[in-house]
Amino acid sequence: NAGVTQTPKFRVLKTGQSMTLLCAQDMNHEYMYWYRQDPGMGLRLIHYSVGEGTTAKGEVPDGYNVSRLKKQNFLLGLESAAPSQTSVYFCASNTGGGEAFFGQGTRLTVV
Amino acid sequence: AQSVTQPDIHITVSEGASLELRCNYSYGATPYLFWYVQSPGQGLQLLLKYFSGDTLVQGIKGFEAEFKRSQSSFNLRKPSVHWSDAAEYFCAVGSFNDYKLSFGAGTTVTVRA
Repeated sequence: NAGVTQTPKFRVLKTGQSMTLLCAQDMNHEYMYWYRQDPGMGLRLIHYSVGEGTTAKGEVPDGYNVSRLKKQNFLLGLESAAPSQTSVYFCASNTGGGEAFFGQGTRLTVV
Repeated sequence: AQSVTQPDIHITVSEGASLELRCNYSYGATPYLFWYVQSPGQGLQLLLKYFSGDTLVQGIKGFEAEFKRSQSSFNLRKPSVHWSDAAEYFCAVGSFNDYKLSFGAGTTVTVRA
């Protein structure tokens, strides 16, 4: 079982460049999330989705946009990358309040 | 708003010794509680979860946790640690009506020989 798959796994961007992170899940989960992980801060929720076609802001949404055009996919976009967005990004999915399944993470460096 | 506090940033324990990681939560409704483990360069793996019922929960890899409502705590324990338990551990809280999980800042566990 693939579970939650994130692409790419690593990326280096220059300040001002844009990119899209892709998350795909094959568990038919309604809910999907994007978190960022920074040292000493745990995981902070960027955006989330409660179903196909829906998105909502988490606690640190600024500088990011998301889309959920298909139930199995949740895209995270950076329109103009900044060094403060250097982080490890995790996608997760679940069935509402239950256990969340995580991808392997995307390590993004903005120079 | 829900929140999770893990008071210990870093714990060092000898192999074979017992381990206890603390987690305190703040939540208005009945919480769902989770412990996740993250090995270096990896994603998060669920160790155990509490939804309801018996307050002592058994998980994978020999871990257990106890839910204490009066203390708003969900501490993780292991009687005898192995070198492979060196990792970062995260406590998380959610609920049936609030699907978003809130995570603590994490506790890094180092195991010395």
